[in-house]
Amino acid sequence: AQRVTQPEKLLSVFKGAPVELKCNYSYSGSPELFWYVQYSRQRLQLLLRHISRESIKGFTADLNKGETSFHLKKPFAQEEDSAMYYCALLGGGKLIFGQGTELSVKP
Amino acid sequence: GAGVSQSPRYKVAKRGQDVALRCDPISGHVSLFWYQQALGQGPEFLTYFQNEAQLDKSGLPSDRFFAERPEGSVSTLKIQRTQQEDSAVYLCASSSDRGAYNEQFFGPGTRLTVL
Repeated sequence: AQRVTQPEKLLSVFKGAPVELKCNYSYSGSPELFWYVQYSRQRLQLLLRHISRESIKGFTADLNKGETSFHLKKPFAQEEDSAMYYCALLGGGKLIFGQGTELSVKP
Repeated sequence: GAGVSQSPRYKVAKRGQDVALRCDPISGHVSLFWYQQALGQGPEFLTYFQNEAQLDKSGLPSDRFFAERPEGSVSTLKIQRTQQEDSAVYLCASSSDRGAYNEQFFGPGTRLTVL
């Protein structure tokens, strides 16, 4: 079955601390994985995709096929990073989302 | 340019009523998706259109849900005889194609509350 699991509903860190939002997936085949973000009162938007191997707003995510993980990391969290983060898998042409992790960065 | 728009933004319906939710995708986008997001959950796929063709409706939860995109642009999601479990945010997304390199752009959503 195709599934995305985000084990943490809420992650709270202090400004300047490192952040890691966990994502594990289940997919038979070569996965295409994404992180989407939703800031307060804004719409869901793409943060990054693994095929681009990019760093956006200081965030990176590495696909680990052995551990079936795609964790999102940032070395120094900023208050403006506070948002809902969703990991998603492209399966059969449609996005399969995890339950989301709310990141709260405290001053 | 304008992004994906949805209307209404909020809808309150009495149980048993029919509702229609509208999505205006980004001009020229071939692919259009509908998702349902229950409170505290991630979005769940409902259906997909390529132009006017509904190519995947595997996520529609029951035959009370119906979607159309007759001219390959605007889409309407209709829910007949609404039930309380239909209460959710309904998201529409469009993309220039369906592949992994083509970003899905999301609308603001319609929050449906069934009393």
